[in-house]
Amino acid sequence: AQSVTQPDIHITVSEGASLELRCNYSYGATPYLFWYVQSPGQGLQLLLKYFSGDTLVQGIKGFEAEFKRSQSSFNLRKPSVHWSDAAEYFCAVVLAYSGAGSYQLTFGKGTKLSVIP
Amino acid sequence: DGGITQSPKYLFRKEGQNVTLSCEQNLNHDAMYWYRQDPGQGLRLIYYSQIVNDFQKGDIAEGYSVSREKKESFPLTVTSAQKNPTAFYLCASSIWAGGVYEQYFGPGTRLTVT
Repeated sequence: AQSVTQPDIHITVSEGASLELRCNYSYGATPYLFWYVQSPGQGLQLLLKYFSGDTLVQGIKGFEAEFKRSQSSFNLRKPSVHWSDAAEYFCAVVLAYSGAGSYQLTFGKGTKLSVIP
Repeated sequence: DGGITQSPKYLFRKEGQNVTLSCEQNLNHDAMYWYRQDPGQGLRLIYYSQIVNDFQKGDIAEGYSVSREKKESFPLTVTSAQKNPTAFYLCASSIWAGGVYEQYFGPGTRLTVT
């Protein structure tokens, strides 16, 4: 069955340090991949997406992610973390295309990021 | 401003009561979704709707019901048959953007049933 794995439940980094959040997927076809961020008690905001082309994609808030087909990974990175980046991050993959205007996302269980001042 | 509205933000109910969560969008998106979020579980799809008057069950539809009478609205009813209704509920809608469908999320409703 298709799945998304985020191996790290909780990561703590110092402000100004670099960040990498891991995401691995299990999917037979070429995946559509997404990273979302969620602040406590809030909805999810799309950071970036990959569906084809350049395997290094740029997103909002200075984030980037690299798709590696050979490793079935789509890791999220940021060169220098700010205190405001503290949140929960979710990786997601398209499970099935179900018609125009709709598709089903499968989410990982999330990685909570804490930032030390 | 365009967006997705969920109301109320916090909802409290007694066990055995049905409760309806509101979701409205003014983004002109065709598809809408309901997710349930529990700590450490990620998001799980309850129902989704591609067009008005049509909807499909997601992974955890038991104990829930929906309707889609208008493009802008996709209310979710949590029935008394749902065994563990206390959770954070997120509504989303999607649009085709740059070769892929993007989902946009509302702010969520936290339901507590005692």
